[in-house]
Amino acid sequence: FMLTQPHSVSESPGKTVTISCTRSSGSIASNYVQWYQQRPGSSPTTLIFEDTQRPSGVPDRFSGSIDSSSNSASLTISGLRPEDEADYYCQSYDSRNHVAFGGGTKLTVL
Amino acid sequence: EVQLLESGGDLVQPGGSLRLSCAASGFTLSSYAMNWVRQAPGKGLEWVSGISGSGGSTYYADSVTGRFTISRDNSKNTLYLQMNSLRAEDTAVYYCAKSSSYYPRGIDYWGQGTLVTVSS
Repeated sequence: FMLTQPHSVSESPGKTVTISCTRSSGSIASNYVQWYQQRPGSSPTTLIFEDTQRPSGVPDRFSGSIDSSSNSASLTISGLRPEDEADYYCQSYDSRNHVAFGGGTKLTVL
Repeated sequence: EVQLLESGGDLVQPGGSLRLSCAASGFTLSSYAMNWVRQAPGKGLEWVSGISGSGGSTYYADSVTGRFTISRDNSKNTLYLQMNSLRAEDTAVYYCAKSSSYYPRGIDYWGQGTLVTVSS
């Protein structure tokens, strides 16, 4: 299966942006989706696990959701800050425990 | 505090071999699956391989099946990736990543990465 994300999104500080992640085959609801943030020159960090859960230390400005009707997951970032400018990746797995990442979305905070 | 420290990255010729290691600390290694994820220069993340908590089950991306072998030594708190028949397209930063469960389904912690360059 594949996960498809928009290549890039941009928004102004203080605004809200949503990044989508569409699963090509299999139900998005059947296997948890995770979201990762990668700032330039740094390792990825986990923002969202199990579709909607935030690890401790991740601000509640970051939220995850899934939509079975469009077979997609979404990451929403509210109150955008300049430091949110980064690459964002969704990730899930299949029944064989094979993991897949989306292609990544570059967020620009204008 | 969870820490993952990769080592072993190097410049290697096409067709050569390399073994990466990942020293884990701050958690009970045998309770969690572990993964290798790579990132080619300027590209996105690509899952390479995963291994269950006990090491009894291993999983590979199609791009490395038959060439790479993942293993773990829970007594030494160390994860390994043996890479054979290396190709130019294997050039990447390789991250060691801890799963949040016994099987490699989601990742909660990442290492700092080690660079593998395949070139003549």
